[in-house]
Amino acid sequence: KAGVTQTPRYLIKTRGQQVTLSCSPISGHRSVSWYQQTPGQGLQFLFEYFSETQRNKGNFPGRFSGRQFSNSRSEMNVSTLELGDSALYLCASSLSARGGANVLTFGAGSRLTVL
Amino acid sequence: DQQVKQNSPSLSVQEGRISILNCDYTNSMFDYFLWYKKYPAEGPTFLISISSIKDKNEDGRFTVFLNKSAKHLSLHIVPSQPGDSAVYFCAAKRTGTASKLTFGTGTRLQVTL
Repeated sequence: KAGVTQTPRYLIKTRGQQVTLSCSPISGHRSVSWYQQTPGQGLQFLFEYFSETQRNKGNFPGRFSGRQFSNSRSEMNVSTLELGDSALYLCASSLSARGGANVLTFGAGSRLTVL
Repeated sequence: DQQVKQNSPSLSVQEGRISILNCDYTNSMFDYFLWYKKYPAEGPTFLISISSIKDKNEDGRFTVFLNKSAKHLSLHIVPSQPGDSAVYFCAAKRTGTASKLTFGTGTRLQVTL
């Protein structure tokens, strides 16, 4: 069973640019969530999509957005990049049980560097 | 406001000994707790979870203990192996929030020979 695939793995952008990251979930998983990991901050929840609808949202500015397609693949977009957006962006998929532990399976991440 | 805290950024343990990783939380609404392990250049992988109605869950070498009154949980690894060297994240969730986990900042475990 293929895992969660994220592309690109590494990218470098400059301030003010925008970036789009892609995530293909495990087959059969309908929920995709995104997390930002920065040194000293752990993983911060960005948002979750289920059946093409945003179901939960974290405390990030509107420059961070996402979407999910009918095949459950998801993209996230960051506009007007700032230096502080440099981070590892992790995508996770799950069967999306609202109750229970609902274990997430993470991809390897997309490492974004903003210069 | 850090609702899940891992106060030890790093821990070094000898091979064969017990590793104890600690985690504290502040939100009494959390009802599931999970531990993830992360190697460099890889995504976090799920290790073990515990429901708030239990105080212990065991899976092989890994045991998680939950003390609800103290809002504290710990992960015990016995015996520790060099391959256990990684960053361990504690995470918590509330029923109904599906994939929204609140993570701690992680503890880097190094298992030495």
